[in-house]
Amino acid sequence: QVQLQESGPGLVKPSQTLSLTCTVSGGSISSGVYYWSWIRQHPGKDLEWIGYISYTGNTYYKPSLKSRITISGDTSKTQFSLRMSSVTAADTAVYYCARGTGQLAFDVWGQGTMATVSS
Amino acid sequence: QSVLTQPPSASGTPGQRVTISCSGSDSNIGTNPVSWYRQLPGTAPKLLIHLNDQRPSGVPDRFSGSKSGTSASLAISGLQSDDEADYYCAAWGDSLHTVLFGGGTKLTVL
Repeated sequence: QVQLQESGPGLVKPSQTLSLTCTVSGGSISSGVYYWSWIRQHPGKDLEWIGYISYTGNTYYKPSLKSRITISGDTSKTQFSLRMSSVTAADTAVYYCARGTGQLAFDVWGQGTMATVSS
Repeated sequence: QSVLTQPPSASGTPGQRVTISCSGSDSNIGTNPVSWYRQLPGTAPKLLIHLNDQRPSGVPDRFSGSKSGTSASLAISGLQSDDEADYYCAAWGDSLHTVLFGGGTKLTVL
């Protein structure tokens, strides 16, 4: 059974880069037809999809965030990461990693990690 | 304001059947499958329904989904106290090229 766990610093200064990692246990990001995604939940509870890295290594990003984000997978295929540059207070949120099916329904989620942007 | 519109709140009494709506447009719900999620306080969302009306393994048949045109609905029958949670719909948006989530509906069991 696949499980996901996010990790990363809880506090980031404005204009810096937020880096988060999702560790996949019980599987790998190259097995099956899945789209390994990052999703965030703002303090007001709105959910926002950020982007994915697919089982083939292809990436796709939400257009409005594309200029600031990079999603990558590691060579072991058991982790994938999010880098978000030039962060502002509006990027403060709980960040989830999740496994997306072919139709981008998210059937496995990590527990989430809070990232706060503040000086 | 979310592109997919949900009522902010809903309520019911134990044993009752409640429905939560999700309204979109031709470029999202009208052409793409809808999924539904439940989020209990302090936890990650959990997939309840995908492909409009399909339940993943382990989701009780008290939960059902439907779609008609540019709207979708989640129905919960035999309401239980631990169904108190936030419920979100989601679908791909063709014009925005992103996954869209509804604003969420807070379900209260009276």
